[in-house]
Amino acid sequence: GENVEQHPSTLSVQEGDSAVIKCTYSDSASNYFPWYKQELGKRPQLIIDIRSNVGEKKDQRIAVTLNKTAKHFSLHITETQPEDSAVYFCAASSAGNQFYFGTGTSLTVIP
Amino acid sequence: ETGVTQSPTHLIKTRGQQVTLRCSSQSGHNTVSWYQQALGQGPQFIFQYYREEENGRGNFPPRFSGLQFPNYSSELNVNALELDDSALYLCASSPGLALDTQYFGPGTRLTVL
Repeated sequence: GENVEQHPSTLSVQEGDSAVIKCTYSDSASNYFPWYKQELGKRPQLIIDIRSNVGEKKDQRIAVTLNKTAKHFSLHITETQPEDSAVYFCAASSAGNQFYFGTGTSLTVIP
Repeated sequence: ETGVTQSPTHLIKTRGQQVTLRCSSQSGHNTVSWYQQALGQGPQFIFQYYREEENGRGNFPPRFSGLQFPNYSSELNVNALELDDSALYLCASSPGLALDTQYFGPGTRLTVL
């Protein structure tokens, strides 16, 4: 099955700086890559996703890039704010819509 | 539009007991996936139901079983509970199978003593 690795496991940035989280996947058949934000005690919330026919997608301060050849994708958050502090999970999915998640990145934005 | 709901919110069981967790999918969604999230870990795929049929299963033993009803709500059953089954159990619904976004419920926190 699919194996998704995520780095770093923890990340601290100053408010206003950028944060980058990276994931790699093993199954070349994976073609959908969502990112979820999970605040303490809450459900994972989708923040952005990308499909394999696209190399980059942006939504305001959040962007995701995908390199299918290297089998890695990254989340970029610019102008970070304290409310961005949370655990972020990447996931990969192929036909059948079964998601395989990374182990999470705990992001702390220091005011 | 109603979001994904789960019940109960919290549950405490003892080793060897059985438990049933419930999930109501978002309106218009016919696919439900179940995940186990241990503390500090990412969600692990248990299985998925599409139109009342199991559509894929992760690396979980047969004592984890499920069901989907005609209204697309779903149940997760776990028999012979073990201490390691303590986790947050999340269900997620999606409109179908074709690369559709999954929307998560709030989860059920299961503690096995």
